[in-house]
Amino acid sequence: DTGVSQNPRHKITKRGQNVTFRCDPISEHNRLYWYRQTLGQGPEFLTYFQNEAQLEKSRLLSDRFSAERPKGSFSTLEIQRTEQGDSAMYLCASSDSGEGNEQFFGPGTRLTVL
Amino acid sequence: GEDVEQSLFLSVREGDSSVINCTYTDSSSTYLYWYKQEPGAGLQLLTYIFSNMDMKQDQRLTVLLNKKDKHLSLRIADTQTGDSAIYFCAESQLSLSGKLIFGQGTTLQVKP
Repeated sequence: DTGVSQNPRHKITKRGQNVTFRCDPISEHNRLYWYRQTLGQGPEFLTYFQNEAQLEKSRLLSDRFSAERPKGSFSTLEIQRTEQGDSAMYLCASSDSGEGNEQFFGPGTRLTVL
Repeated sequence: GEDVEQSLFLSVREGDSSVINCTYTDSSSTYLYWYKQEPGAGLQLLTYIFSNMDMKQDQRLTVLLNKKDKHLSLRIADTQTGDSAIYFCAESQLSLSGKLIFGQGTTLQVKP
């Protein structure tokens, strides 16, 4: 399968714990995006990478959130000291910045904070 | 500011046409997109339209863009039960990060 993959698919954690999610984009896609989706809402942008450079971060991304894309390939999103309000689906998308900047989404990681 | 709005629910009979509407506020949007999300599945890109186009057709899908009114619609011809899903409208400015601004989604229910 050459699509966007995300791991884990589900994560249940206790409040205050740290969690890390991984996204593997489509090969050679230079752009990578993280979004968050809560029930009944559309996805909301969190952050954007062009190759290894993190070029934009949403105001939604508090200082407990950090994202990396160290070699311009896979990316990780870490949430420290999780809160119940962090419970959501975390989606990753990648694109090749060509015409239309078509973004292809992974299946998401569903986070539940107890 | 950036805002995208959609009606929440649409119900049609199998074989009818469905029209899902979307309005947006950002006049500098470069591209507008339609995504489909089925229960438990990821977002699937259906189609997109460049902001200087009025219409785009792709098999059963027709996208109409009224840039003056900032109104986008997705028409699905001969709607099938497999089209039941949530449909999201999104806009982006390619000159910037290209991040997508999504509407809240329209649930399409197709009755047999």
